Amino acid sequence: NAGVTQTPKFQVLKTGQSMTLQCAQDMNHEYMSWYRQDPGMGLRLIHYSVGAGITDQGEVPNGYNVSRSTTEDFPLRLLSAAPSQTSVYFCASKLGSIDGYTFGSGTRLTVV
Amino acid sequence: DQQVKQNSPSLSVQEGRISILNCDYTNSMFDYFLWYKKYPAEGPTFLISISSIKDKNEDGRFTVFLNKSAKHLSLHIVPSQPGDSAVYFCAASATNTDKLIFGTGTRLQVFP
Repeated sequence: NAGVTQTPKFQVLKTGQSMTLQCAQDMNHEYMSWYRQDPGMGLRLIHYSVGAGITDQGEVPNGYNVSRSTTEDFPLRLLSAAPSQTSVYFCASKLGSIDGYTFGSGTRLTVV
Repeated sequence: DQQVKQNSPSLSVQEGRISILNCDYTNSMFDYFLWYKKYPAEGPTFLISISSIKDKNEDGRFTVFLNKSAKHLSLHIVPSQPGDSAVYFCAASATNTDKLIFGTGTRLQVFP
């Protein structure tokens, strides 16, 4: 049972480049979310999904897109990377609304 | 505007004593609260939760207290152990939104 798998673990991008951070879970969880962690800011919600085909914006959605075509996958797309998007990104999933999230191990992204 | 606040960035406690981590929230719609623990280079792990219909929830050495009138919750760890040294995040959600909002975290250090 792999849990929540995030790829890649590390990435360096140039300003203006685009990329997709992958997230997959094998627990048949309905809920999935993307967070970014920055020093002194805690974890901030980017986008979330309550089921396949349903996504919504979190606290800091600008510059990011998501889609949820399957229950298992929830990719996060950076459209045109900016240095302000340098951060550690965490994907998480949970079964139901009152369950605790299971987090992946994170993707450390640096935009130069 | 930070809806979930952890005003103490760090806390140092001697092994065997009680650790008390505090969290305040501003959104009166929040009705479910969780605590997560995070070690460096890992994703957060779920620790304990509490619904707004309760004022206390215990799980082994961990107890969460909720004071709805003060919009305040706390996590008590008794007795504290060196392995408890980590960053602790408070999080809150409202059932009508499914967004889970995190605080900025408190770094707990338990020394021998």
